[in-house]
Amino acid sequence: QVQLQESGPGLVKPSETLSLTCNVSGGSISTYYWNWIRQPPGKRLEWIGYIHYSGSTNYNPSFTSRVTISLDTSKNQFSLRLSSVTAADTAVYYCARGDSFGFGELLTYWGQGTLVTVSS
Amino acid sequence: EIVLTQSPGTLSLSPGERATLSCRASQSVSSSYLAWYQQKPGQAPRLLIYGASSRATGIPDRFSGSGSGTDFTLTISRLQPEDFAVYYCQQYGRSPRTFGQGTRVEIK
Repeated sequence: QVQLQESGPGLVKPSETLSLTCNVSGGSISTYYWNWIRQPPGKRLEWIGYIHYSGSTNYNPSFTSRVTISLDTSKNQFSLRLSSVTAADTAVYYCARGDSFGFGELLTYWGQGTLVTVSS
Repeated sequence: EIVLTQSPGTLSLSPGERATLSCRASQSVSSSYLAWYQQKPGQAPRLLIYGASSRATGIPDRFSGSGSGTDFTLTISRLQPEDFAVYYCQQYGRSPRTFGQGTRVEIK
């Protein structure tokens, strides 16, 4: 059974960089699209972006200038870096596997999510 | 960006009743690249429907999806106690991928 698990600091200071890792077990990371999605308190889900196993990326323009998603196939994990964070970046962050469907991706497996709070 | 608007915000129903949830897109969603997810408190979303009307693996047949273009519907034919949750629609045909704001189905 495929499982995803996010890890990283739960508290980040304003202006610093948020860094999260998603460990994938039960399947190889060397295929599919690997996504990050977040959900601010009381708000809708927000897609941040994905990295394809080939290394290509697709980011939400709302984050392009400060986001990097990377893949480490040797560790079967992928990562999110979001720079210059503010309180508006406080959210539950989810990683998810995207299965190709035509021109899009279905988010079939999700991590449990991790709350990241931006505060001094 | 395609904006998805869901209605109603909250649906109060009793077990056994039928639930009808709506998702309207600001632009046509190409080739029915429309999905529905269920989210329970403290849990990650779970894929229910993709391609507007296809059920994901393991999803009971009381869940059905329909629609095309800009108007989509999720129907739960007979609500079970485990179905009370928040439901989100999502379009995955254009970037950025976007989600609706959710419909909460609560016990009346």
